[in-house]
Amino acid sequence: DSGVTQTPKHLITATGQRVTLRCSPRSGDLSVYWYQQSLDQGLQFLIQYYNGEERAKGNILERFSAQQFPDLHSELNLSSLELGDSALYFCASSFTGQGEDEQFFGPGTRLTVL
Amino acid sequence: DQQVKQNSPSLSVQEGRISILNCDYTNSMFDYFLWYKKYPAEGPTFLISISSIKDKNEDGRFTVFLNKSAKHLSLHIVPSQPGDSAVYFCAASDTGGFKTIFGAGTRLFVKA
Repeated sequence: DSGVTQTPKHLITATGQRVTLRCSPRSGDLSVYWYQQSLDQGLQFLIQYYNGEERAKGNILERFSAQQFPDLHSELNLSSLELGDSALYFCASSFTGQGEDEQFFGPGTRLTVL
Repeated sequence: DQQVKQNSPSLSVQEGRISILNCDYTNSMFDYFLWYKKYPAEGPTFLISISSIKDKNEDGRFTVFLNKSAKHLSLHIVPSQPGDSAVYFCAASDTGGFKTIFGAGTRLFVKA
């Protein structure tokens, strides 16, 4: 158990809909990362937050947005969903958010868009 | 633009033998490299890392080698065990930077 929790575990929705994925970081960690893993693909970095502030942005679509709240949990919002958004979404946390920091990953949320 | 490449999608090895997983990178700014292991239905877990000031780092059965001039690193697992069967991700970052770029992963099968 990494100490990172993600809810929900599974999500099935229709095209055009909007969903919110939730992540609680490991106790004491200040940084949260979001990754997308499509079928047989690697982990695509989406976005990183540190202590409530956006720190780095990757290949995140404009239809996607995220935030980190004062209690350090984070939410990833996906809107106008398309079939191609079906993927595993991982949240990870680390203490400093620096590149050499080990990241602790949650179990992921599997999103299926029908 | 794939900055971190794992060109072998899968690798099959006999139990007790050596497993060698390879990773190439293109960005010369990367100076810290990590390997993560992922079992089905779980998130990745950190395995081992190496800084660019070293060319080798060892942790038990796992050793990572870094060749900066070739922009290549490899993970050696000796001896391989059936429990090592998993997907292995190579990742790279620049210290002081914030992004970590992951490769596509290599699925390792260790046969008993």
